[in-house]
Amino acid sequence: QSVLTQPPSASGTPGQRVTISCSGSSSNIGSNTANWYQQLPGTAPKLLIYSNNQRPSGVPDRFSGSKSGTSASLAISGLQSDDEADYYCAAWDDSLNGWVFGGGTKLTVL
Amino acid sequence: QVQLQESGPGLVKPSETLSLTCTVSGGSVSSSSYYWSWIRQPPGKGLEWIGYIYYSGSTNYNPSLKSRVTISVDTSKNQFSLKLSSVTAADTAVYSCARGDNYYFYMDVWGKGATVTVSS
Repeated sequence: QSVLTQPPSASGTPGQRVTISCSGSSSNIGSNTANWYQQLPGTAPKLLIYSNNQRPSGVPDRFSGSKSGTSASLAISGLQSDDEADYYCAAWDDSLNGWVFGGGTKLTVL
Repeated sequence: QVQLQESGPGLVKPSETLSLTCTVSGGSVSSSSYYWSWIRQPPGKGLEWIGYIYYSGSTNYNPSLKSRVTISVDTSKNQFSLKLSSVTAADTAVYSCARGDNYYFYMDVWGKGATVTVSS
C-alpha cells in the first residue's frame, strides 16, 4: 500500500492529452512539492517534473505538472508512442522525514 | 555529469545480510546539498524509499525497514553503502541508489539499479 495514491492505469491515443492524478496528505504533498518520474521498461526512473511544475533540462514541454492542496497532477499533451511507460509521483514526507511514492500509473498509448 | 553505480551480490540466502555499494562519479558524497538514498522496487511493484545518509554520517530510514537497515558512507572512496539484515524472499527487488536534493526535495540522479534475489 503506497502512501500516495495514483490510478493504476491510464491510456490515450497519439496526439491526445492525458492526465495522471496523485493524492497525498498534509504531511507530504500538502506541505511539500510534488515530483514525477517516468520509468521506461527495464530502466531506472527518470525525473520528469520537480517542485510541482518544473521540468529538468531536456524534458519536453509536452509534460507539465500542477498541485492543489494535497493532490498533484501530471499532464502529457501531444501523446507519443514512446511516452508509454510507468509514471510515479513522489514527495517529501515531514512525518517520515523521507520520500514517499505513489504506486505508479502504467500509461498505454493505443 | 554525476553518475551513480550500484554493485554487490545478486543472490543472497534467506536470513543473511544483503550488502550493496553505490559509487559516485562526477560529484562528491561530501556535498552538503544532498541526501544519498537507497530505493527498492520488488518485481512488478512500485518504488519504496529505504533510507538516506548525509555527508556528515547522519541517517534516516523508512520505519518499515528501520530495524534491519544500515546505510553508511565512505568519503575517501566517494561511496555509500546499504546493509539489510535477516532478508527473506520479500526483499527480492531491484535496489537503486539516488542523489536527493535536500532543499527542493527531489531525487534527480539515479543508478541503473541492481537486481537482488533472496533464495537458498
